[in-house]
Amino acid sequence: DSGVTQTPKHLITATGQRVTLRCSPRSGDLSVYWYQQSLDQGLQFLIQYYNGEERAKGNILERFSAQQFPDLHSELNLSSLELGDSALYFCASSGLSGTASYEQYFGPGTRLTVT
Amino acid sequence: AQKITQTQPGMFVQEKEAVTLDCTYDTSDPSYGLFWYKQPSSGEMIFLIYQGSYDQQNATEGRYSLNFQKARKSANLVISASQLGDSAMYFCAMRGGFKTIFGAGTRLFVKA
Repeated sequence: DSGVTQTPKHLITATGQRVTLRCSPRSGDLSVYWYQQSLDQGLQFLIQYYNGEERAKGNILERFSAQQFPDLHSELNLSSLELGDSALYFCASSGLSGTASYEQYFGPGTRLTVT
Repeated sequence: AQKITQTQPGMFVQEKEAVTLDCTYDTSDPSYGLFWYKQPSSGEMIFLIYQGSYDQQNATEGRYSLNFQKARKSANLVISASQLGDSAMYFCAMRGGFKTIFGAGTRLFVKA
């Protein structure tokens, strides 16, 4: 158990809908990262937050947004869902931002299926 | 631009033997970190080992060691005494600046 929690574990929804994925980092970790893992794109970095502030953006679509709250939990919002958004979404956390030495601990993931 | 390459889509190894999973990288950042993660069929991502770009010695964690050759820009994972439970997908990753990128992964099959 990495200490990172994600809810829900599975989500099935229809095209055009909006969903929210939730992540609670390990106790004490200030950074939260979101990743998308799909069969054709592999593991893609989406976005990073550090202590409530956006720190880095990767291949995140404009239909997607995220935020980190004062209690450090984070939410990833996916809107106008398309079939291609079906993927495993991971949240990870680490201790400090911008420091290459801090490994990221991954949550169990949320499997999103868009029908 | 940063890049991670894992050239072995799949590997077979006999139980109790050692296996090396290849990873090469490219970055212009002077400071970076290299990681290996294991993803079993259950889907979770398990952190295995870390190597910093300024670390003089190769990292080791139990049966895992990272063969870091900075001049060649390679960071191969060596698993000693393979076990059936090592069958999984293995990802090499690099963190430079604020971004982390992952390789395409290598699927390891351990044969009894």
